[in-house]
Amino acid sequence: EAQVTQNPRYLITVTGKKLTVTCSQNMNHEYMSWYRQDPGLGLRQIYYSMNVEVTDKGDVPEGYKVSRKEKRNFPLILESPSPNQTSLYFCASSSQLAPNNEQFFGPGTRLTVL
Amino acid sequence: AQSVAQPEDQVNVAEGNPLTVKCTYSVSGNPYLFWYVQYPNRGLQFLLKYITGDNLVKGSYGFEAEFNKSQTSFHLKKPSALVSDSALYFCAVRGSGNTGKLIFGQGTTLQVKP
Repeated sequence: EAQVTQNPRYLITVTGKKLTVTCSQNMNHEYMSWYRQDPGLGLRQIYYSMNVEVTDKGDVPEGYKVSRKEKRNFPLILESPSPNQTSLYFCASSSQLAPNNEQFFGPGTRLTVL
Repeated sequence: AQSVAQPEDQVNVAEGNPLTVKCTYSVSGNPYLFWYVQYPNRGLQFLLKYITGDNLVKGSYGFEAEFNKSQTSFHLKKPSALVSDSALYFCAVRGSGNTGKLIFGQGTTLQVKP
């Protein structure tokens, strides 16, 4: 089954404790992206990747890092999480960076930073 | 600046009645528009998209959307609502440039009552 998977689905952590949220897709997609969803704000892009070893900042990259060492994986790293990073995170992928290609989303990771 | 607005936080409709979820957009150039649905504890699922061509776009689960260039709107519609349609709906427009970013509205909760 074609899908985007994320782990963990739920995470409660404390301020300053480094964490990684993994994202993997099995569709051989070149493009991958991370979004965060906050009430009343919709989804906002954090980082994106056009292909292996090619990443760039989205609209809200502060406090986050990413890497793209393999085509299928695109982990999101929070080096020193803070309470304002409490949010619902989605990973997405698409086959090509073309305007008519819809993005496929993972199930989401709900992160709480205390 | 590009933006998407969903003017209603919540839409309530009785089962069997037609439903409309509103979306307006602001972009420069031709818009590439999408609707996604989010069920509780699930990721976003693609419903439909407008790239070019017919102003009435048909999508999954009996949904359709009407593109209106003069009103810069892309309202989601369904002739007969089901209780199972109750979910959070997002309108999105493809951002300009080469980021692949989707710009999302704030979301509209659809509540269909039996």
